[in-house]
Amino acid sequence: KQEVTQIPAALSVPEGENLVLNCSFTDSAIYNLQWFRQDPGKGLTSLLLIQSSQREQTSGRLNASLDKSSGRSTLYIAASQPGDSATYLCAVFSGSRLTFGEGTQLTVNP
Amino acid sequence: NAGVTQTPKFQVLKTGQSMTLQCAQDMNHEYMSWYRQDPGMGLRLIHYSVGAGITDQGEVPNGYNVSRSTTEDFPLRLLSAAPSQTSVYFCASSYGPGTGIHEQYFGPGTRLTVT
Repeated sequence: KQEVTQIPAALSVPEGENLVLNCSFTDSAIYNLQWFRQDPGKGLTSLLLIQSSQREQTSGRLNASLDKSSGRSTLYIAASQPGDSATYLCAVFSGSRLTFGEGTQLTVNP
Repeated sequence: NAGVTQTPKFQVLKTGQSMTLQCAQDMNHEYMSWYRQDPGMGLRLIHYSVGAGITDQGEVPNGYNVSRSTTEDFPLRLLSAAPSQTSVYFCASSYGPGTGIHEQYFGPGTRLTVT
């Protein structure tokens, strides 16, 4: 059974800081890994998708990496802003299922 | 394209009532799935479908039924609502499985309260 873990569970940083969110998974036989953002009381917004054959993906200030053999992914956020405050979820698709981590709650303080 | 749509957005049920949460997508996706999100538990897979006429159980299927009669629609039925089913429900879809494209698109969610 695939298990996904995200560390840390919560993170508070001052505005402008670069930060890294971590995601690990137990079964490396994945099709892809997807990072989502969720604002309080809202739905999921897809940020980045990394296919199993890829090492990283970038979108603006976000960069996600994937090391499938070690079962790890990181989401790097450059020059953080208060608007980045949200919960960040990683999810892996393996077999026929998407498995989520419990998320990292990020607070960026002005 | 409307993407993935869910109705209703909010629902209050009494224990023992039944209802259907609707999910539809207009992207010709083969794969559709239902999740529930609870505080401290993350998102958990309830049921999924890899195509019309094919469904399978996820991690937490008890108390829920699904069917997939068309590619577009994947309704989730609560047979006899219980307070433990109070949650936020999300539907998702993707092209997979035969395409190898598994990027998931999520609906806006349904917030269900069972009293």
